[in-house]
Amino acid sequence: KQEVTQIPAALSVPEGENLVLNCSFTDSAIYNLQWFRQDPGKGLTSLLLIQSSQREQTSGRLNASLDKSSGRSTLYIAASQPGDSATYLCAVRFNAGGTSYGKLTFGQGTILTVHP
Amino acid sequence: DVKVTQSSRYLVKRTGEKVFLECVQDMDHENMFWYRQDPGLGLRLIYFSYDVKMKEKGDIPEGYSVSREKKERFSLILESASTNQTSMYLCASSPGTVKMNTEAFFGQGTRLTVV
Repeated sequence: KQEVTQIPAALSVPEGENLVLNCSFTDSAIYNLQWFRQDPGKGLTSLLLIQSSQREQTSGRLNASLDKSSGRSTLYIAASQPGDSATYLCAVRFNAGGTSYGKLTFGQGTILTVHP
Repeated sequence: DVKVTQSSRYLVKRTGEKVFLECVQDMDHENMFWYRQDPGLGLRLIYFSYDVKMKEKGDIPEGYSVSREKKERFSLILESASTNQTSMYLCASSPGTVKMNTEAFFGQGTRLTVV
């Protein structure tokens, strides 16, 4: 079964710290992997999309890496701020063939709290 | 700016009612999806559609149906709402199979409470 796991489930850090969120997936046959942010009671905001042929993607203070062969991705957040507090979700688009049609399989998320 | 819009942020319905959740996207995407999100269970795919009038079951389709009469609109239907369908519902869209390496975009979510 194709599954996505995120650790840790929750993380609390002081402002200014650099941090890493982890995502692992069970099948290396993927199209791409997408990181999302979700604020309480809201929808998902796309942060970074990293394709299967890429090793990393960067956007501002965020950097996502992908090691497809080991089934791992990390989201690195530099110089964290209280406004970064949210749930971060990793989602994988597995290459299941047939009618996979871009379905995303989600991890359970990491709840990040950055305190002043 | 890309946009996926869900018709309601909050809904309260009674058990047994027929409920319609509407989703519209303005990106001319082929794929559209309905997920539900529950504490401890994460996001689970209910149904998806890869073209007008086409649909496929996701992981938890029981108690739901969908309709896609126009490319931009994807409706989720709860035929007879039950309390265990109280949840956050999220709609998403993405380009079709010829553009697999592009992003999925989500709506703002609909918090449905069935009483």
